[in-house]
Amino acid sequence: AQTVTQSQPEMSVQEAETVTLSCTYDTSESNYYLFWYKQPPSRQMILVIRQEAYKQQNATENRFSVNFQKAAKSFSLKISDSQLGDTAMYFCAFIPGAGSYQLTFGKGTKLSVIP
Amino acid sequence: GAVVSQHPSRVICKSGTSVKIECRSLDFQATTMFWYRQFPKQSLMLMATSNEGSKATYEQGVEKDKFLINHASLTLSTLTVTSAHPEDSSFYICSARLGLAGTYEQYFGPGTRLTVT
Repeated sequence: AQTVTQSQPEMSVQEAETVTLSCTYDTSESNYYLFWYKQPPSRQMILVIRQEAYKQQNATENRFSVNFQKAAKSFSLKISDSQLGDTAMYFCAFIPGAGSYQLTFGKGTKLSVIP
Repeated sequence: GAVVSQHPSRVICKSGTSVKIECRSLDFQATTMFWYRQFPKQSLMLMATSNEGSKATYEQGVEKDKFLINHASLTLSTLTVTSAHPEDSSFYICSARLGLAGTYEQYFGPGTRLTVT
């Protein structure tokens, strides 16, 4: 069974600073997909970034980037120049691929950006 | 693009009644839709996977007779909570996957808050 672990229940960061959220996962698959989702107070799930396991290059989306370490099964999210609107729950999620489309979520990290 | 809507956004019902929640993909066809349940300050828990035209696949521990799922078209899936009880009060979220082979991304609806009194 696949598992996703987020070891930081809560984090805070000063506005304009950089913060890194950690995520580890466990799988026996080789071609899988990793995601970071953001859930602000509105509770709408928003896709922040995705990474295909077969790609060695780390994904980036504007201020968001990941550090994907396949051998270590680690997938951390770095948020640069943190903004107040980044305050949210962040969920790391995993799809095993191979025809399976079910997302497995971590327990989440509550990020607070402090003005 | 890739917008998913849910209706209603919040509903209050009396114990013993049934409630239907609709999930629609507005600008794409969704071969597969998923239903999640989220308790306060917790993660999303997958309840069932719904494929258009076939029976839903329920996760272990989810009562299929209580949570009826219908996926009658490529743009609509419904979740009916039958004989609702206060413990069914929760936040229900649907998501939809584009009907293209090899696409794994899911697009989420805004959620429905169900309160059973």
